[in-house]
Amino acid sequence: RKEVEQDPGPFNVPEGATVAFNCTYSNSASQSFFWYRQDCRKEPKLLMSVYSSGNEDGRFTAQLNRASQYISLLIRDSKLSDSATYLCVVGPSGGSYIPTFGRGTSLIVHP
Amino acid sequence: DGGITQSPKYLFRKEGQNVTLSCEQNLNHDAMYWYRQDPGQGLRLIYYSQIVNDFQKGDIAEGYSVSREKKESFPLTVTSAQKNPTAFYLCASTGQGPIGGQYFGPGTRLTVL
Repeated sequence: RKEVEQDPGPFNVPEGATVAFNCTYSNSASQSFFWYRQDCRKEPKLLMSVYSSGNEDGRFTAQLNRASQYISLLIRDSKLSDSATYLCVVGPSGGSYIPTFGRGTSLIVHP
Repeated sequence: DGGITQSPKYLFRKEGQNVTLSCEQNLNHDAMYWYRQDPGQGLRLIYYSQIVNDFQKGDIAEGYSVSREKKESFPLTVTSAQKNPTAFYLCASTGQGPIGGQYFGPGTRLTVL
């Protein structure tokens, strides 16, 4: 089983739609979780951390379900500029400094 | 402004040559990382360093070397022993130990001619 799994997509949605991505992880000892955004031929950029209680940043909402070992990202009122690849990242555990990256979910928002 | 810089942005190399990619950060971060990304693929860890004068191999260290003589700098050398070096190379750092998110430089796109 891969350590961090994401549906690669692409998710093709119209402007204004709500779209959700899930990401599952295998290490139950992981303590930190993140969503990154990566535009084509650019570096990944930290979108938001994911907290146990869930957190929201404008149109973006992240949730963590420790029991089922998945995190989610919800994007409301999608914009054309949201088109990108969204990477799920699970932080290290046990003293390691190495996070684990998912391979990303591609989102295409069309007019 | 604080951040991570990488240079050059684009690099062309002839087969058999070693090249060094620069990574500098002024975020006062302790940990730094080098990743490789191939088209349509995820990030793969080459080397990482948790502290000055110490570094560890990642998943694909063969054909690469690094140094960490200063906190701000973590250069990566792609040696002629790396069989398929054409890729997008990303440097990252984190300042909150194991729990912090990583911040990435803009990357270097290396092409072997």
